[in-house]
Amino acid sequence: DIQMTQSPASLSASLGETVTIECLASEDIYSNLAWYQQKPGKSPQLLIYDASSLQDGVPSRFSGSESGTQYSLEINSLQSEDAVTYFCQQHHDYPLTFGSGTKLEIK
Amino acid sequence: QVQLKESGPGLVQPSETLSLTCTVSGFSLTSYNVHWVRQPPGKGLEWMGVMWSGGSTDYNSALKSRLSISRDTSKNQVFLKMNSLQSEDTTTYYCARDSPYHGGYFDYWGQGVMVTVSS
Repeated sequence: DIQMTQSPASLSASLGETVTIECLASEDIYSNLAWYQQKPGKSPQLLIYDASSLQDGVPSRFSGSESGTQYSLEINSLQSEDAVTYFCQQHHDYPLTFGSGTKLEIK
Repeated sequence: QVQLKESGPGLVQPSETLSLTCTVSGFSLTSYNVHWVRQPPGKGLEWMGVMWSGGSTDYNSALKSRLSISRDTSKNQVFLKMNSLQSEDTTTYYCARDSPYHGGYFDYWGQGVMVTVSS
């Protein structure tokens, strides 16, 4: 199985700042990486797929990038509603696997 | 619009079988794959298995011996059955729709159903 190592586990930042969350794949996943946002008590919502493609309706302050097997989610101009949990997921091979999550807090 | 909704018992006895239903609307089960994903309280996500649009299934090898996924296209429903439940199966279960390009990522999710395994 492909292991997804997500970091950091938690993150604190101020409103308006830019934050970066990372996921390291245990092998090449050929840009097949999705990012989800999960609000408390709700199901995950797709933000980005194919490493950098923005899902319809997602604000442009969210962006994804990659470098080798390292994938990043960047959130610009942090807003209060962004203070939730984020997960990565590789969609290259089965079983599909997820990162352990990053909880983002506002300072 | 696209909707998925899970239903099933909130409480299951240890060693018994869990039966969940995912009722979908706004799309066809013969055109889209539907997956099951679960999430223990406060923890990460685990992919369980998939009902392919063509009617076949695949399962996470960690659960394969206990898991069965089926569907009734006439009722727009996908079913999950998992036997020999233990306390570690206490979690929220989600069904989710695969992307339009069968990319293996999920563009719509159900609200989830919390299942507790306890006597």
